[in-house]
Amino acid sequence: GENVEQHPSTLSVQEGDSAVIKCTYSDSASNYFPWYKQELGKRPQLIIDIRSNVGEKKDQRIAVTLNKTAKHFSLHITETQPEDSAVYFCAAEFRNEKLTFGTGTRLTIIP
Amino acid sequence: DTGVSQDPRHKITKRGQNVTFRCDPISEHNRLYWYRQTLGQGPEFLTYFQNEAQLEKSRLLSDRFSAERPKGSFSTLEIQRTEQGDSAMYLCASSPSHLYGYTFGSGTRLTVV
Repeated sequence: GENVEQHPSTLSVQEGDSAVIKCTYSDSASNYFPWYKQELGKRPQLIIDIRSNVGEKKDQRIAVTLNKTAKHFSLHITETQPEDSAVYFCAAEFRNEKLTFGTGTRLTIIP
Repeated sequence: DTGVSQDPRHKITKRGQNVTFRCDPISEHNRLYWYRQTLGQGPEFLTYFQNEAQLEKSRLLSDRFSAERPKGSFSTLEIQRTEQGDSAMYLCASSPSHLYGYTFGSGTRLTVV
């Protein structure tokens, strides 16, 4: 079935350090992988996405890498800042053209 | 405001009552999705529409749940005979098509007492 696993569930990093969140997915036919950031009490917001024909995508301090052979993708945040503290969700689009979300990673940036 | 709008923001209802939520997507988006989110979990798929056609409904969704998108614009989600387990944040999202990220609304927080 459709499954997305996300690790770790919580992550604390010192301000200025890098954070990495990893996800694996079950269906090799999946071809779209977005990441969402959700601050407390707010809506999930799309921060970056990648399609299966690309191995890596970068947007300022945020990057996503995709390994289709291993069926995993990762979010990398460099030079972390206090405003990066939030819950991050990965997602994958399966054959039925809807997103299945991971269980989330609570990222805390320690000043 | 060109974002996704949801109404109401909060709803408290007694067990057994019916509730209806509304979602207004971004106007040029063909696809509209309903998800449910409970504390500490990721959004869970409920149903989605392409224009006015409901293309899929989650098997987790009981017959008490129904959704419509009558003219391919706004959508409503109705829950009949609410139960305490229905308490959650109900999120609506829209996108121009598949392979594009969703834009979420602010959600409707339902509390069943």
